Amino acid sequence: DTAVSQTPKYLVTQMGNDKSIKCEQNLGHDTMYWYKQDSKKFLKIMFSYNNKELIINETVPNRFSPKSPDKAHLNLHINSLELGDSAVYFCASSQDHSGGTGELFFGEGSRLTVL
Amino acid sequence: DAKTTQPTSMDCAEGRAANLPCNHSTISGNEYVYWYRQIHSQGPQYIIHGLKNNETNEMASLIITEDRKSSTLILPHATLRDTAVYYCIVRVIYNFNKFYFGSGTKLNVKP
Repeated sequence: DTAVSQTPKYLVTQMGNDKSIKCEQNLGHDTMYWYKQDSKKFLKIMFSYNNKELIINETVPNRFSPKSPDKAHLNLHINSLELGDSAVYFCASSQDHSGGTGELFFGEGSRLTVL
Repeated sequence: DAKTTQPTSMDCAEGRAANLPCNHSTISGNEYVYWYRQIHSQGPQYIIHGLKNNETNEMASLIITEDRKSSTLILPHATLRDTAVYYCIVRVIYNFNKFYFGSGTKLNVKP
């Protein structure tokens, strides 16, 4: 079983469209994250939810809206897609948001291409 | 969070030890050193972390200098599957697991 799974793996869409990426973890973790990896390969944190509550929002445009229906799921909805949104989006989870080992478990990524 | 400096790339012969250095000269007392790697566009994978003492697990060893201003990740017997980008990250304890990834070191393991 995949610990952190994301869908879709690939997404090609036109500018101005709205799209969503879904993430699920079966590790029983309390905390989930969205990271963005751009064309230069820099990996940047976007959001984090702990037990359905938003705890990190790293100055991301409000076109990006995360939603966590329960602690095992964290979805990312993007409105009015722009060319600069093209990137690989990684979902991750950790046991909790503060102490512990701090180990993050990442999904395989969702490659978004905006044309 | 303190920043880290790593070489852009390194080569290593298959079967030999790979030693990946990392400088974190501004690290503070409550910051851990973490290592992750990313194999060709897969999700990053946790390797090891430490605070002061040297650490070893089934994947690697982490050597932290006494002044904690630098560290070295050691892969004892590198294989072709270890070819990846290795990230050295410092993280403040209890900061909501904010990991700031730099550009990392591309390790090329050659036959």
